[in-house]
Amino acid sequence: DSGVTQTPKHLITATGQRVTLRCSPRSGDLSVYWYQQSLDQGLQFLIQYYNGEERAKGNILERFSAQQFPDLHSELNLSSLELGDSALYFCASSASTSGPYNEQFFGPGTRLTVL
Amino acid sequence: DAKTTQPNSMESNEEEPVHLPCNHSTISGTDYIHWYRQLPSQGPEYVIHGLTSNVNNRMASLAIAEDRKSSTLILHRATLRDAAVYYCILTNYGQNFVFGPGTRLSVLP
Repeated sequence: DSGVTQTPKHLITATGQRVTLRCSPRSGDLSVYWYQQSLDQGLQFLIQYYNGEERAKGNILERFSAQQFPDLHSELNLSSLELGDSALYFCASSASTSGPYNEQFFGPGTRLTVL
Repeated sequence: DAKTTQPNSMESNEEEPVHLPCNHSTISGTDYIHWYRQLPSQGPEYVIHGLTSNVNNRMASLAIAEDRKSSTLILHRATLRDAAVYYCILTNYGQNFVFGPGTRLSVLP
């Protein structure tokens, strides 16, 4: 158990809909990262927040957005869903934002299926 | 982003050592080498990291070439639980994680 929790575990929805994925980082971790893992694209970094502020952006679509709240939990919002958005979405947390010992701890993931 | 190349898959017998190679010929002086692994149906987990010197921890050893253009993750005695996808990642001082396709390790009983 990494200490990172993600809800829900599974989500099934239809094209065009909007969903919210939630992540609670390990106690004391200030950084939260979101990744998307699909069969054909591997593990893709989406976005990072540190202590409530956006820190780095990866291959995140404009239809997707995220935020980190004062209690440090984070939400990833996915809108106008398409079939290709079906994937595993992982959240990870780390103590800080940089440094060689800035190990990322990954949650169990949310499996999103868009029908 | 600095790139790494790894074999797509490798096989090992249980209780034998496993050497997982990674090439990173474009590594820069500030790039750290990190290894993560992803067990089936789980998120990735940290294995080990290093900069220039060889490193050991309870999970594995990391051997880094003198020119730093390649590295090898060594599992000293593979168990069935070590079957996973192993990712070799270069980071700029712990930032900008870019996961490649990794090496899928199969462990045979």
